[in-house]
Amino acid sequence: DSGVTQTPKHLITATGQRVTLRCSPRSGDLSVYWYQQSLDQGLQFLIQYYNGEERAKGNILERFSAQQFPDLHSELNLSSLELGDSALYFCASSVNLGPREPLHFGNGTRLTVT
Amino acid sequence: QKEVEQDPGPLSVPEGAIVSLNCTYSNSAFQYFMWYRQYSRKGPELLMYTYSSGNKEDGRFTAQVDKSSKYISLFIRDSQPSDSATYLCAMNLFSGGYNKLIFGAGTRLAVHP
Repeated sequence: DSGVTQTPKHLITATGQRVTLRCSPRSGDLSVYWYQQSLDQGLQFLIQYYNGEERAKGNILERFSAQQFPDLHSELNLSSLELGDSALYFCASSVNLGPREPLHFGNGTRLTVT
Repeated sequence: QKEVEQDPGPLSVPEGAIVSLNCTYSNSAFQYFMWYRQYSRKGPELLMYTYSSGNKEDGRFTAQVDKSSKYISLFIRDSQPSDSATYLCAMNLFSGGYNKLIFGAGTRLAVHP
């Protein structure tokens, strides 16, 4: 168990809808990362937060947004959902920002858009 | 061209075999090299981590980095059925105060008894 908790585990919703994915990092970790994993694209970096502030953006669509709260948990909001948004969404956390900091991944939220 | 290329497999080997997993990369600025293992329906877990050219050994696992060729490998000795998973290489570039961690597509490995 990595100590990173993601909820819900599964989510099925319709096109055009909006969903919120939640992540609780490991105790003591300040940095949170969101990744999207699909069969054809692999693990794609979406966004990173450190101690409540956005630090880096990857291939995140404008329909997607995220935030990290004062208690360090993070939420990823996906809106105007399309079929192509169906994927596994992973949250990872690390203690700090340094490059030697390993990322600890949760078990993901499987999103299915119908 | 993708920054990190990894053969997706699948790779099927008998128990006890030596497994070789490989990745190539194009960005010479990558500083740190990692291997993650991902079991079905689970998140990736860090297996090996190295930042210099050469070999690093941890039990049955050896990570090899050749920066001049932009090539990294993971060797698994005496492979076990419990090693059956997807193996992802990852490369880290620390720039502007943040980590840019790029993953390969992952290689699916099946070790059969």
